[in-house]
This record gives sequence, C-alpha cells and structure tokens, in this order.
Amino acid sequence: QQQVKQSPQSLIVQKGGISIINCAYENTAFDYFPWYQQFPGKGPALLIAIRPDVSEKKEGRFTISFNKSAKQFSLHIMDSQPGDSATYFCAAKDRDDKIIFGKGTRLHILP
Amino acid sequence: DAGVTQSPTHLIKTRGQQVTLRCSPISGHKSVSWYQQVLGQGPQFIFQYYEKEERGRGNFPDRFSARQFPNYSSELNVNALLLGDSALYLCASSLGVGVEAFFGQGTRLTVV
Repeated sequence: QQQVKQSPQSLIVQKGGISIINCAYENTAFDYFPWYQQFPGKGPALLIAIRPDVSEKKEGRFTISFNKSAKQFSLHIMDSQPGDSATYFCAAKDRDDKIIFGKGTRLHILP
Repeated sequence: DAGVTQSPTHLIKTRGQQVTLRCSPISGHKSVSWYQQVLGQGPQFIFQYYEKEERGRGNFPDRFSARQFPNYSSELNVNALLLGDSALYLCASSLGVGVEAFFGQGTRLTVV
C-alpha cells in the first residue's frame, strides 16, 4: 500500500512558467510534510516543509499548499528555471520519525 | 560546516558477499536513519537510530542490520547480498526526533 501518492511522474515546463507537483496521503498520523529535491548522483536535499496546522508556506520561489481535509498537498515552483530541473519527492513523516516518500516527479525546465 | 558524509561513494560486490556502509552525521546530530533508493523510486526506510538505540525498522529482511556508535556515526551491514540489493543507500541525520532530516550523498552499491 502506497502511503504517499505523487503525480505527475514527469513534467516539462517552459522557463519562467509555474511547475506544480501534487501529492496525497492516507495516514492521518503524519505530522510533517517535507519536499526534497534530488539531482542525479546526489542525495535528496530538503527544499521546504510544512506541518498540518498550516495551509500554505512560501520560501522564495517555492510554495507548499496544504489541504488537511482532503489529505492533499502540492509544491508550486514559480518562475521555473533550467537549474530547477531535477527529481522532486514529496514525503510525510510519522510520529515514529520514519519518512515515507512518494515515487518522485522528474521535472525538466525548457530553456 | 560538513554535511552528512557517507563512505564509500561507490561499491561493487558479488552475490553472497557482505558489505558495510558508513555514515557520519552532521556535528551535533544524534539521530541517524538509513534508506534504500532503487533506481527510479523514492527512498525506502530501513532503520533509525537515536542515542545509539534502534528506534525504528522498515520492512527489510534480517540480512540488513545497523548500529550507532558513541560518536553517533553509524554502520549499515548487509549480508548474503542479492542482485536486488543494488541501490543507492542513503544516510540521513537529524538533531533529534521529529525535526528536519538531512541526507548524505549516498553509497551506490552494485551487486553482480
């Protein structure tokens, strides 16, 4: 059973456009929702994170929108740049501190 | 500041062999977790250690074991390697429980 579902699997966006990645979760015990960015051959890097008592969090060009009742959250990347091309993972952390990852979205920004 | 460091970066082993992977957490971090990332998938939780005690274990066979040392560094051991163990093994450290985790670059294990 996949506890964190992520879509789309891949995404192509024009430079300057908005990239949107969506995730849904099952377990209401999750209490922390991070997004990770991973470049080929590297480990995942924490990008931005949110707790379920907050509906939106913005850091620079990156925004998380969180809908607790729908058990959904999304990442918006504004003014997408070629350097943003990477794989993005949504994740959820349970009270046992285990991080459950989505399957990832391969984002490609066209120059 | 040094981030999470893992060694070795790459490793090739033969089926049936044993392997030990090492992780040094960020200075001051007391929690270390291990994840397996198969190509094209998200990382899967293997173990978490906090203050040298195992706090959690994922759905992996007993061939996988780990430990944390008094300096908070950690080792992941995998016995009787299978081809399916080929993956990127990631170590993450955090100050404690319930806070942000930071990942190392990983160890790329190839089993032939």
